Amino acid sequence: DQQVKQNSPSLSVQEGRISILNCDYTNSMFDYFLWYKKYPAEGPTFLISISSIKDKNEDGRFTVFLNKSAKHLSLHIVPSQPGDSAVYFCAAYKGGSEKLVFGKGTKLTVNP
Amino acid sequence: EAGVAQSPRYKIIEKRQSVAFWCNPISGHATLYWYQQILGQGPKLLIQFQNNGVVDDSQLPKDRFSAERLKGVDSTLKIQPAKLEDSAVYLCASSLGHRETQYFGPGTRLLVL
Repeated sequence: DQQVKQNSPSLSVQEGRISILNCDYTNSMFDYFLWYKKYPAEGPTFLISISSIKDKNEDGRFTVFLNKSAKHLSLHIVPSQPGDSAVYFCAAYKGGSEKLVFGKGTKLTVNP
Repeated sequence: EAGVAQSPRYKIIEKRQSVAFWCNPISGHATLYWYQQILGQGPKLLIQFQNNGVVDDSQLPKDRFSAERLKGVDSTLKIQPAKLEDSAVYLCASSLGHRETQYFGPGTRLLVL
């Protein structure tokens, strides 16, 4: 039962363009959302988060948008750089739970 | 600041053998997590400790997996006996507390033959 879904296994964009990574969730009880980035042979690293009381959070080149009615969030990277090439995981906490639930990840490739 | 340390980095065993993984969290982090990441999947929480007490182990296959957190610092995860489907990367993470940013170690890649 995949409660956090990343339906695109991979995404390829040109350097300098926008990367948009999508994530859907099935349970309206999720109240805090995070994006992690993972390079090969390394552990995931935290990128950006958003609470369910907000609809946007921005940190430099990274912006996360949350659409609660659609149970959808997206990560925008502008401009994309080759060093952004990695696997991006969407993750979420349910209200009242301390367990972080991860999606399957999307592999982003930024071509020079 | 030193990150989360894990050892070994790689392990190959045969099914029905036992294996243990070790994790040293970031100093001062009260919460420690063990995740299993199967190829093509996201990390799945196996067990979460707050200091040396278990907060959540609902997804830990307790018939074969065990974990402990010694004195609220280091932790070990053991599998006995291993099955083919246990082949995965085992990630350890730590955080200052609940819902604080989790910092992950590099993981231990286990292959069960």
